[in-house]
Amino acid sequence: DTEVTQTPKHLVMGMTNKKSLKCEQHMGHRAMYWYKQKAKKPPELMFVYSYEKLSINESVPSRFSPECPNSSLLNLHLHALQPEDSALYLCASSPIGQGRGYTFGSGTRLTVV
Amino acid sequence: GDSVTQMEGPVTLSEEAFLTINCTYTATGYPSLFWYVQYPGEGLQLLLKATKADDKGSNKGFEATYRKETTSFHLEKGSVQVSDSAVYFCALSANDYKLSFGAGTTVTVRA
Repeated sequence: DTEVTQTPKHLVMGMTNKKSLKCEQHMGHRAMYWYKQKAKKPPELMFVYSYEKLSINESVPSRFSPECPNSSLLNLHLHALQPEDSALYLCASSPIGQGRGYTFGSGTRLTVV
Repeated sequence: GDSVTQMEGPVTLSEEAFLTINCTYTATGYPSLFWYVQYPGEGLQLLLKATKADDKGSNKGFEATYRKETTSFHLEKGSVQVSDSAVYFCALSANDYKLSFGAGTTVTVRA
């Protein structure tokens, strides 16, 4: 299995809703990432988990809450989002160590109304 | 800090034309370099990579060579197809986790 699987593929939520994005990989990668990508822009790093512990938070607002329940799963909990949070949310994983390259999922297209 | 500069798009080509996308970087130490491709409506796919000077990465007819003297990692393909239409991102990694991306270059190949 050489894939990162993200669900759902599309999500529409209201500003008062609570929802979660899910990411799963079975490649044995011990680093997992959340990125946010706006249209026609490169991905922006949000969070990094290393060995299931949060190692990098790129000053992301608290309405985004990551969780890594085990080495294969990564969640992103969403609450009280704003319309400007609408974007493609990408999950990625990699082995630990520079130069190994990331494997990205297909993303969740999030629309906040 | 670490940064990547790649040529502005969009780039429009005819099928079987030669494609070059320029990429230069600034980094401390010895970064690893990558090209990612994003097809419409999809996530990013690793196209090729190089981890040290003079390494050549290649995949699906695309090539790029890690040139430390010019701090460059230009992407080339000798004969493009319509299916190569996508956004291409140059990226570098200078530590264990962070991947720094260029702005992306949109390539459209016409039949």
